[in-house]
Amino acid sequence: QKEVEQNSGPLSVPEGAIASLNCTYSDRGSQSFFWYRQYSGKSPELIMFIYSNGDKEDGRFTAQLNKASQYVSLLIRDSQPSDSATYLCAVNVGNTGNQFYFGTGTSLTVIP
Amino acid sequence: EPEVTQTPSHQVTQMGQEVILRCVPISNHLYFYWYRQILGQKVEFLVSFYNNEISEKSEIFDDQFSVERPDGSNFTLKIRSTKLEDSAMYFCASIYLAGVNGYTFGSGTRLTVV
Repeated sequence: QKEVEQNSGPLSVPEGAIASLNCTYSDRGSQSFFWYRQYSGKSPELIMFIYSNGDKEDGRFTAQLNKASQYVSLLIRDSQPSDSATYLCAVNVGNTGNQFYFGTGTSLTVIP
Repeated sequence: EPEVTQTPSHQVTQMGQEVILRCVPISNHLYFYWYRQILGQKVEFLVSFYNNEISEKSEIFDDQFSVERPDGSNFTLKIRSTKLEDSAMYFCASIYLAGVNGYTFGSGTRLTVV
């Protein structure tokens, strides 16, 4: 059974702080890892993807991947109230690698 | 910014009825997907479609479900005989090359089966 696990939260951080979101996955064959943001009642919106071990930075967002530990994280620096949403971790699985398994998401609230 | 378009945004149907959910993927994308999200639960893969055929499907995607790309732009999901447990948000997604970048999701269709 392929699993993607996230702490459901809620996670609350003050405005300007760093928010740290974590995800573990069970399928060692997974090659690609994605973070999506989902506002209530809306569709998932891609924030970042990462394939290689280490860090990948894009603006205020940093994705971190450790394949040996089967662990992916997302750091949000200088958190803003508009970052308040549910963050979904997704991992590619399947025969062709184009099927995603999603975690249940971590709810983040940034307090002004 | 190109978008994936889904219609209708909300569909209410009686149990046992057939519904068709429609999607217009981004025009140069080659891979198309349907996912669903039951309220409060995770986003779940239903089916992927490439080169006019299903490439992968999940256990959820049973004989009640079918997909079609009837022309060069539309991608549809049909549920033949809806059940109460089919009530969910259904998201269409597309991507140019599979496994390279993340999907672009459509805005979703909320299906309510009564």
